[in-house]
Amino acid sequence: AQSVTQLGSHVSVSEGALVLLRCNYSSSVPPYLFWYVQYPNQGLQLLLKYTSAATLVKGINGFEAEFKKSETSFHLTKPSAHMSDAAEYFCAVRASLGGSYIPTFGRGTSLIVHP
Amino acid sequence: GAVVSQHPSRVICKSGTSVKIECRSLDFQATTMFWYRQFPKQSLMLMATSNEGSKATYEQGVEKDKFLINHASLTLSTLTVTSAHPEDSSFYICSASTDRGRYEQYFGPGTRLTVT
Repeated sequence: AQSVTQLGSHVSVSEGALVLLRCNYSSSVPPYLFWYVQYPNQGLQLLLKYTSAATLVKGINGFEAEFKKSETSFHLTKPSAHMSDAAEYFCAVRASLGGSYIPTFGRGTSLIVHP
Repeated sequence: GAVVSQHPSRVICKSGTSVKIECRSLDFQATTMFWYRQFPKQSLMLMATSNEGSKATYEQGVEKDKFLINHASLTLSTLTVTSAHPEDSSFYICSASTDRGRYEQYFGPGTRLTVT
């Protein structure tokens, strides 16, 4: 069984401020973890993924996330927010090789960036 | 990178009619395609998983006679919403993967269905 909890349905930051989107997961087997971004009326775009290699994962658009097994967390960060970062962000978990390959998505966090 | 397209991007249909949504993998062979439904301001809900040449596997609560899925080739899957009702209005997203989803899923841009 696997699940994802994204804390905060909305996160509001000022342009240039640190972005922190929280994701906690549970999984009965070693997980793969993903962050996706969705712009209005568009599909999902992969930001980054953890697949059991380095625990600090760098993605596109300056985002990164750190896998912390002891905290069962995979929080997404970006040092300086841009207006173009305003979007919906989804964390997802799935089993690593050998388990179910179907990911479970969190409920999403809407990132609002103020000028 | 792997590209998945969906057609149409938006469709409006009358209640009682059927509408077909296509999902294509443009530069790779997708052994597995997934169909999701997304309600406004909510997460993605997996509807079904289809493997090329096999019948789709539907998630609990999804009516297989209403949401017909065909995956006839390694690059094309279709979702047909039959006898559409206004409550079927939603954003439908497909994703495609090689090797039955063992590796990464690539998402299409989505189709906005409005049933009047």
